Amino acid sequence: EIVLTQSPGTLSLSPGERATLSCRASQSVSNFAWFQQKPGQAPRLVIYSASSRATGIPDRFSGSGSGTDFTLTISRLEPEDFAVYYCQHYDNPPWTFGQGTKVKI
Amino acid sequence: EVQLVESGGDLVKPGGSLRLSCVVSGFTFNNAWMSWVRQAPGKGLEWVGRIKRRSDGGTTDYAAPVKGRFTISRDDSKNTVYLQMNSLKTEDTALYYCTTGIGTIDFWGQGTLVTVSS
Repeated sequence: EIVLTQSPGTLSLSPGERATLSCRASQSVSNFAWFQQKPGQAPRLVIYSASSRATGIPDRFSGSGSGTDFTLTISRLEPEDFAVYYCQHYDNPPWTFGQGTKVKI
Repeated sequence: EVQLVESGGDLVKPGGSLRLSCVVSGFTFNNAWMSWVRQAPGKGLEWVGRIKRRSDGGTTDYAAPVKGRFTISRDDSKNTVYLQMNSLKTEDTALYYCTTGIGTIDFWGQGTLVTVSS
C-alpha cells in the first residue's frame, strides 16, 4: 500500500496570502489528485492528474509535482478556501489518501 | 445533474451486518466504476473499495481493513451500487460515501452514517 504523508498538518494564514501544501508518497505514483473538504460537506475534487484543475475550480489553485513529491498551491487565499485538503493517489488499488492539511485563518 | 444518494446507515452491534445502497442518476450508470470511501468521525478519508463496470469485468478491489468482510455489488437495472458489510467492528464506525468518476473521484454522495457500538 502506498502511504501519502501531507505537510504541514495545519497551515495558519490570512486571506490574500499564498498557501503551499505538500504531499509525499512512499513510492512513485502516476495518478494523483487533491480534494477540498469543508465542515459538514462531502469532499470536492480540486486537482487531478497532479496538475489539472477540476471543473469549476478557480485558477488561483494549481498543482505540481511528479513521482513521489506533489504540491498544491493556492496563490491568494479567499475566505472560501479555508478548509481541509487531502491528497490521493489513484494508481492500482488500494487507493489511499493523505491524512489532510487544515488551512485555517 | 449527477446525483448519488446513499441509504442504509444505522446503529449496529459489533459482529453484526449491514447493507448500504447508493442510487445514482444523471449519468450512464452501467458505464461507471463505483467506489465507496469512508470517514470516521473527526478523521480523514479512507478508500473502502470499488467495482468496475460490467464491460470491464465487474471485478472488485478492497482496502486491507475490510477485505473478506465487505462486498461491493451492483445492479445496473436499478442504477444502484451496494456495500454489504459483515463482521462489523467498532472501527468501522464512519460516514460512508458513494463515489464515482473518470480516473479519480469526480462525484460524491452526501454519505450515510454507520455506527458500530454495543
